[in-house]
Amino acid sequence: GDSVTQMEGPVTLSEEAFLTINCTYTATGYPSLFWYVQYPGEGLQLLLKATKADDKGSNKGFEATYRKETTSFHLEKGSVQVSDSAVYFCALGQAGTALIFGKGTTLSVSS
Amino acid sequence: EPEVTQTPSHQVTQMGQEVILRCVPISNHLYFYWYRQILGQKVEFLVSFYNNEISEKSEIFDDQFSVERPDGSNFTLKIRSTKLEDSAMYFCASSEVGGGSEKLFFGSGTQLSVL
Repeated sequence: GDSVTQMEGPVTLSEEAFLTINCTYTATGYPSLFWYVQYPGEGLQLLLKATKADDKGSNKGFEATYRKETTSFHLEKGSVQVSDSAVYFCALGQAGTALIFGKGTTLSVSS
Repeated sequence: EPEVTQTPSHQVTQMGQEVILRCVPISNHLYFYWYRQILGQKVEFLVSFYNNEISEKSEIFDDQFSVERPDGSNFTLKIRSTKLEDSAMYFCASSEVGGGSEKLFFGSGTQLSVL
């Protein structure tokens, strides 16, 4: 069945460092891909999404490009801030089925 | 931005007891979901609900689980006889439309601890 694999955390960075969180997927058909973020004490929130190959989702300085050839949707940010500390979830969605999530990657940014 | 509300935020129960987790989805949304996350594991889909019936459920959602929309605002998950392995964070979510590319709005979760 469909699945999502994301890199194990935690990821610990200093402020202004470059961030990459890897995500790869296995799916039949043409899924949509998502990154959700969970700040402490809150629910998951959609960060960005891409619905077809080569689409780039972006929001709040974060970007991810839907790469069909490598079945990947890596999350990147050029300069992280302390306020970006959160848990990041990669997810996959197909018509008629529920979203499938990865395990989540905890990001901790220190000043 | 509108929010999905879940209560309680923490629930402690004894094994074998029934628990009801409550959720108030966003008012104009039509699709409702329950997910759970056991500590250190993936966020797992339990069930989706549309038009007053279950539209999809996972293998986890066995006869011990049920969902209900008892009125126009609440969406509940009931676990009839809790087991130790039901201990997890339970997330409710809702969306305006279905289809696989929709944005889900999540509540902040109920941490269920079964002793």
